Amino acid sequence: QVQLQQSGPGLVKPSQTLSLNCAISGDSVSSTSAAWNWIRQSPSRGLEWLGRTYYRSNWYNDYAASVKSRITINPDTSKNQFSLQLKFVTPEDTAVYYCARGGFCTGGSCYSLFLFDYWGQGTLVTVSS
Amino acid sequence: EIVLTQSPGTLSLSPGERATLSCRASQSVSSNYLAWYQQKPGQAPRLLIYGASSRATGIPDRFTGSGSGTDFTLTISRLEPEDFAVYYCQQYGSSPRTFGPGTKVDIK
Repeated sequence: QVQLQQSGPGLVKPSQTLSLNCAISGDSVSSTSAAWNWIRQSPSRGLEWLGRTYYRSNWYNDYAASVKSRITINPDTSKNQFSLQLKFVTPEDTAVYYCARGGFCTGGSCYSLFLFDYWGQGTLVTVSS
Repeated sequence: EIVLTQSPGTLSLSPGERATLSCRASQSVSSNYLAWYQQKPGQAPRLLIYGASSRATGIPDRFTGSGSGTDFTLTISRLEPEDFAVYYCQQYGSSPRTFGPGTKVDIK
């Protein structure tokens, strides 16, 4: 059974950097059939995919255009986890942040890396001074 | 960007009743790559349906997804108490992958 455990602060000051970690159990951040994602949810923006990291002989990242200039997602193979950093935050970045596994294999077939089958518990991050 | 519109915004029903939720896309969803998620208060979304009609592992058969192109439907044949939640559709065939705004199914 895959479990994702999030950690990180719930309050960040404007212009500072939001940092969250997602520890993986039951799978590997280096899996070649999954991608490791960050998704956020707010009343104003709904569910919004932010980005992902995945391993296919090399490490790759994809980021949403809306945050591309401010976001970094990094794997940590020694701890089997991945992280989110979002720089220069504003109150508009206030949201519940989730980590999620994308892609799964069942019945001999593997499915899209943008199907999110396991999620972390969510972290409410408030941007406020 | 494909915009997903869900209707109704809220559906008020009683346990045992049938729920029909709609998701309409602003353009055709590639390969019917349309998923449905369920979210309960304080919890993360849970994958129910992918590929428009395939149930995810462990999802009861009272949940049925259907549709193609731009019009998709999630049907819950007989509502159980644990089914009262918010349901989101997601298209994952085109970049950027997008979610709908959700339909809340609450108890009448």
